[in-house]
Amino acid sequence: GEQVEQLPSILRVQEGSSASINCTYENSASNYFPWYKQEPGENPKLIIDIRSNMERKQTQGLIVLLDKKAKRFSLHITDTQPGDSAMYFCAANDSGYNKLTFGKGTVLLVSP
Amino acid sequence: DTTVKQNPRYKLARVGKPVNLICSQTMNHDTMYWYQKKPNQAPKLLLFYYDKILNREADTFEKFQSSRPNNSFCSLYIGSAGLEYSAMYLCASSRDGPYEQYFGPGTRLTVL
Repeated sequence: GEQVEQLPSILRVQEGSSASINCTYENSASNYFPWYKQEPGENPKLIIDIRSNMERKQTQGLIVLLDKKAKRFSLHITDTQPGDSAMYFCAANDSGYNKLTFGKGTVLLVSP
Repeated sequence: DTTVKQNPRYKLARVGKPVNLICSQTMNHDTMYWYQKKPNQAPKLLLFYYDKILNREADTFEKFQSSRPNNSFCSLYIGSAGLEYSAMYLCASSRDGPYEQYFGPGTRLTVL
């Protein structure tokens, strides 16, 4: 099966700066890489995803990069706001199966 | 309505007793998933239903059961709870394989 490593586990940034979270995966056949945001007491919500036919995707202050050779993908949040403070999970699909393997999560803390 | 509902939100159980958790969605999604989430760990897939077909992960095969009486409902059943079952249990559903999974708020199970 797939294995996903996510770093850092905790990330502290100042409001207005950027934040980056990195994930690596093992299965070169994985082709779908979503990012979920979970706020305290809330359910995880899909915020952006990228498929293996793309190297970069951007939406509403979020950028995802995918490096298939290195089996690495990353989330970049530009101009962070206190509302971006949350737990973020990356995931990769287990190719051929109807399932995702998640990273351990990153707690992002944005201070004013 | 993109809501996945879970009941109960909190569950206290005694060691050796059974536990039944409920999940529902009205999005007509063909796949429903159950994850176990412990602190500082990645959400771990326990099992999923694709339509009426149950797929259980090999390492949790004997610990968890599930039923899906109709497209909207899916249960997670623990026959005899142990202390190690204390965790957050997240239900998710998707229309198209592992893509765009919608998560419920989770059930926090505490086994004493």
